[in-house]
Order: sequence, then C-alpha cells, then structure tokens
Amino acid sequence: AQTVTQSQPEMSVQEAETVTLSCTYDTSESDYYLFWYKQPPSRQMILVIRQEAYKQQNATENRFSVNFQKAAKSFSLKISDSQLGDAAMYFCAYRGGSNYKLTFGKGTLLTVNP
Amino acid sequence: GAGVSQSPRYKVAKRGQDVALRCDPISGHVSLFWYQQALGQGPEFLTYFQNEAQLDKSGLPSDRFFAERPEGSVSTLKIQRTQQEDSAVYLCASSLLQGPSSSQYFGPGTRLTVL
Repeated sequence: AQTVTQSQPEMSVQEAETVTLSCTYDTSESDYYLFWYKQPPSRQMILVIRQEAYKQQNATENRFSVNFQKAAKSFSLKISDSQLGDAAMYFCAYRGGSNYKLTFGKGTLLTVNP
Repeated sequence: GAGVSQSPRYKVAKRGQDVALRCDPISGHVSLFWYQQALGQGPEFLTYFQNEAQLDKSGLPSDRFFAERPEGSVSTLKIQRTQQEDSAVYLCASSLLQGPSSSQYFGPGTRLTVL
C-alpha cells in the first residue's frame, strides 16, 4: 500500500519570505501523480499544484513550486514571497496511475507571521 | 455550479440516529469521491463513483455506511445508527474524467458530531 509522510506537523514563515514543506512517499508503481492541497480554516480543500511522475520538470504555479525527486521519493513544496493568505494546513497527496483515490499525508500547519 | 457543494455544513446527531449527507458535484463531472477526515488527520478514502456506478466502496468503515448516486450527479452518504467514532468531517470531491490524471476538486465538507 502507498503511504505519504509529512514529517513537519507545523511550520512558520515570515511574510515575504520563502518556506519549504516536506513530503515523502512510498510506492512500487512507476506511474503516479502527486499533489499539494491547501486547507484553510474554512475547510475547503484547494488544489495548489500537481506533478506527473513521468515529467522530469518540476511543476510551478506562480509563487508555488515543487522539488520532485523521483529516486528519493520526495516531493517538497516551496512557497515564495509568503503572504498572510497562505496560512493553512497543507496536505501532500498521492494517486497511482492505475488508481483513482488519493492517499493523503497528515498535513503541515503553516503559520505566516506579519 | 461553480464548485462542489455539500449540505448540511454541520450536523449534530445523537448516538443511534441515522444521518444523510448530500454532495452536489461540479456539473458534468464523471467521478465522485467521498473522504472522511478525522480531527487533525488527512482525509481518508471512503468510496468512489463513476457516473451512477459505485466502483469502489472498500474504504467504508462498516456496513452502517452506505452511499448512492442514482442519476450520476448528486450523491448521498448515509450513516445508520451513528456512533461517536463516526464524528468527523466528510468531504466530497469530483473530477471531470475517470482517469487518474484528472484532478479532484473538493467541497467544503460536512462536520458530523455524534453525541
């Protein structure tokens, strides 16, 4: 079974600074997808960024980028120029290439200090 | 609609009561998922529909949990004889296509509290 580990229960960053959230996963599949979701206190889960395992290039969405290390099974999220609105719980998720359900990590609570 | 909607947003039930949670997916989305999120945890998969067909219900915790999507659009998650351990946020997600490359979009969830 696939597992997703987020080793940082909480992180904090100063406004305008950069922060990196860690995620590792375990799988025997070669084809899969990785996601970062943001869950603000209002609870709506928002898709931040996704990465296809077959793509070597790291995904980027505005201030959000990932560092995908396939051999190390690592998928970290970098948030640049942090904003107060980035404060939320961040979940890393895995989806197998022959599967449809998401497997989530336990999340990292990000605090942004003004 | 613009996004996935769920109702009610909050539900308090006495132990032993039956509850029904509703999910309205994004219009035209083929796939629909239910997840359960315990306090301080990541969501865990419950069940999956492709149109009206329930293709996977392996995550349902017990036979007290039942889900349906009779017309391939709105879905209902029903929990019979609720127990305190059923207290959680129930999230619904939908995706446009059935393949794993199609991203899932989540609703706001229903917070169920069983007293």
